[in-house]
Amino acid sequence: EIVMTQSPATLSVSPGERATLFCRASQSVSSDLAWYQQRPGQAPRLLIYGASTRATGIPARFSGSGSGTEFTLTISSLQSEDFAVYYCQQYNHWPPGTFGGGTKVEIK
Amino acid sequence: EVQLVESGGGLAQPGGSLRLSCAASGLTFSNYGMSWVRQAPGKGLEWVSSISDHGGSTYYADSVKGRFTISRDDSKNTLYLQMNSLRVEDTAVYYCAKDSPICSLWGQGTLVTVSS
Repeated sequence: EIVMTQSPATLSVSPGERATLFCRASQSVSSDLAWYQQRPGQAPRLLIYGASTRATGIPARFSGSGSGTEFTLTISSLQSEDFAVYYCQQYNHWPPGTFGGGTKVEIK
Repeated sequence: EVQLVESGGGLAQPGGSLRLSCAASGLTFSNYGMSWVRQAPGKGLEWVSSISDHGGSTYYADSVKGRFTISRDDSKNTLYLQMNSLRVEDTAVYYCAKDSPICSLWGQGTLVTVSS
């Protein structure tokens, strides 16, 4: 089973600043990588799939990059609603669709 | 608007059973694969099970294989998860999600608590 490792576990960022989140796979997953956002008390929401394609309705300030084993989610200018937990998920070696442990983006 | 609404959660004893339902609206349900993903209290996401469009194929995490059964009734636009031989470690919020393996839309979840 592929292990997905996210870093950092917690990221403290001021509103308006850029946030960069990392996700590493234990072996190559090509570009079969999705990112999800989970706000407190809410269900997760798909942000990015195919490593870099924004899902419907996702603002352009969210961007994804990477392939193989190293991936990045960048939020260009943090808004108040972006403070949340972010999860990556690989689906190249599916099932199972393994998730990373999450990165919490908190207000600095 | 596409909506997914889970129900059926609650308290069960270890070794007991529960059946979760997920009612879908606003989409041609039979055209989509569906998934269940769970989240233990204060923890991350864990994929549980998926079923293909029209129900021809099913998939399970090792942690639930042989105990949980995913199914669907396309005439009722409803997804199910039959959970048997429940364990304390199955305690979680269970989300249904549209599509697999990418979960493009999620319901609000239903809490399952397994405790004596």
